Amino acid sequence: NAGVTQTPKFQVLKTGQSMTLQCAQDMNHEYMSWYRQDPGMGLRLIHYSVGAGITDQGEVPNGYNVSRSTTEDFPLRLLSAAPSQTSVYFCASSYLFGTDNEKLFFGSGTQLSVL
Amino acid sequence: GESVGLHLPTLSVQEGDNSIINCAYSNSASDYFIWYKQESGKGPQFIIDIRSNMDKRQGQRVTVLLNKTVKHLSLQIAATQPGDSAVYFCADGRDQGAQKLVFGQGTRLTINP
Repeated sequence: NAGVTQTPKFQVLKTGQSMTLQCAQDMNHEYMSWYRQDPGMGLRLIHYSVGAGITDQGEVPNGYNVSRSTTEDFPLRLLSAAPSQTSVYFCASSYLFGTDNEKLFFGSGTQLSVL
Repeated sequence: GESVGLHLPTLSVQEGDNSIINCAYSNSASDYFIWYKQESGKGPQFIIDIRSNMDKRQGQRVTVLLNKTVKHLSLQIAATQPGDSAVYFCADGRDQGAQKLVFGQGTRLTINP
């Protein structure tokens, strides 16, 4: 049972490049989400999904796309990287609210630098 | 606007003492709150959660208190140990038809020997 797995751990991009951050979970969680964490700040929600084929925007969705074709995977796509997207990105998953077991499990993060 | 905030960005305590980390929230409709611990270079780790129909919940060496009247949440850590050094975040799971956790900025807890 690996939990939430994120790849890559580190990435450097040039402005304008695109890339996909991968996230996979093996806990059969319906809910998956992406957060970014900037220095001195808490985690801010980018996008989330309550099941395969369903996604929605969080607090800071601009510049990011997501899709959820399977229960296990929730990739985050940066369409055209900007220096403002330099951050640490965390993927998290959980069971749905109302199940009395909603705590989020986080991956170990992807540190992204955009030059 | 709505926010989840912490009273202090840093807290230093002596090993063996009790620690109290505070958090304020602004949305009176919030009904679920969680505390996370984040060690350097790692993802946040769940500590304890509490629903709005409770005012206290205890775990192993940790207690969360919820005061809905003043919209205040606290995390108490008993007999702090060096391994408790980390950044602690409170998160507000607002039930507005969407499953979203909104995190505060965090409090860095340092344990002095």
